[in-house]
Amino acid sequence: DGGITQSPKYLFRKEGQNVTLSCEQNLNHDAMYWYRQDPGQGLRLIYYSQIVNDFQKGDIAEGYSVSREKKESFPLTVTSAQKNPTAFYLCASFQGYNQPQHFGDGTRLSIL
Amino acid sequence: AQSVSQHNHHVILSEAASLELGCNYSYGGTVNLFWYVQYPGQHLQLLLKYFSGDPLVKGIKGFEAEFIKSKFSFNLRKPSVQWSDTAEYFCAVGDYGGSQGNLIFGKGTKLSVKP
Repeated sequence: DGGITQSPKYLFRKEGQNVTLSCEQNLNHDAMYWYRQDPGQGLRLIYYSQIVNDFQKGDIAEGYSVSREKKESFPLTVTSAQKNPTAFYLCASFQGYNQPQHFGDGTRLSIL
Repeated sequence: AQSVSQHNHHVILSEAASLELGCNYSYGGTVNLFWYVQYPGQHLQLLLKYFSGDPLVKGIKGFEAEFIKSKFSFNLRKPSVQWSDTAEYFCAVGDYGGSQGNLIFGKGTKLSVKP
């Protein structure tokens, strides 16, 4: 079955540490997205990528970085510059015009 | 800037009650509209979508939504809720004029259905 796989499901970060969240899709979608979900805040866009080797900042990109070396993969790094990283992170992909976004199961990041 | 407003943060209903969740958006161009649902412990799933045509859209599990362009609204409805509808519901707006697929989400409405 095609879909989006996010790993790990739970992740803990120490002070000053960078952590990387994985997102892999086998849907052959060109576009991929990272959202942050906080209670009562809905989903906010961190970064998105329309095509391999290209990505754009979303609304809350500060303290995060991404790469898009392969079509299937769009990892998100939460850097030590992100002072409030505790949240639920969702990855999504998009096939094209008049299609919805598809979402992964998410990664919950907490601070130790 | 585009924005999506969901009027209710938390709605509590008894089984068999009717549901209407409000969603308003601000955007001047052509929009595509979505309702997503997130059941406890599960990933975000598409409930229904509107791109064009009939403004009354039917989705899964008996949900429907009506696009009223003059009111910039896309309210979600269900005639009779079930306990299994307990979830968080997100309205989203997409601007596909640029074919980028970017979505703006509302803050979500948590629905609790009492058995």
